[in-house]
Amino acid sequence: AQSVAQPEDQVNVAEGNPLTVKCTYSVSGNPYLFWYVQYPNRGLQFLLKYITGDNLVKGSYGFEAEFNKSQTSFHLKKPSALVSDSALYFCAVRDLNTGGFKTIFGAGTRLFVKA
Amino acid sequence: EAGVAQSPRYKIIEKRQSVAFWCNPISGHATLYWYQQILGQGPKLLIQFQNNGVVDDSQLPKDRFSAERLKGVDSTLKIQPAKLEDSAVYLCASSRGGATDTQYFGPGTRLTVL
Repeated sequence: AQSVAQPEDQVNVAEGNPLTVKCTYSVSGNPYLFWYVQYPNRGLQFLLKYITGDNLVKGSYGFEAEFNKSQTSFHLKKPSALVSDSALYFCAVRDLNTGGFKTIFGAGTRLFVKA
Repeated sequence: EAGVAQSPRYKIIEKRQSVAFWCNPISGHATLYWYQQILGQGPKLLIQFQNNGVVDDSQLPKDRFSAERLKGVDSTLKIQPAKLEDSAVYLCASSRGGATDTQYFGPGTRLTVL
């Protein structure tokens, strides 16, 4: 079965420093991978996705993610963190073995950016 | 382009009562999803519609949860009777429906069952 793991419940980083939020996946076949962000009392907002092609995917708000097939990882990165980046981040994988292409979400990683 | 609309935003009920949530997807999106997000967890798919047909409801507790999308546009999710463990945020999302398509989420309805 397809699955995704976010090994860190929380990541703390100082403003201006680079940030990384980790995600590993387990799929049969080619992975379709997504990152979403959730601010308090809001729905999930799409950041970026990897379908095929370049392993470095650029997304919204200066975020990017690196797809690494050998390590089955899809880590989210940003060169310089902002206090406003503090939020809950979800990695997700799409299960192509289901008729509806079900999306399976990780448990989430809370990012705290300190001023 | 208007986003996914949901109402109400918040609902507090007592156990054994019933409750209904409404969702209007992005115009032109054939696929509509209802997710349950329990505090501290990622969203879990409850039901997925393609137009007005059900594609996946394998994780929907059918003894108490029901959903419909009669005209292939907006949708209603109902819980009857509610249990304490149903306290969660209920998220609606929509997409064009293809394997690579992005899902766009509404703001969610926070349900508290007392």
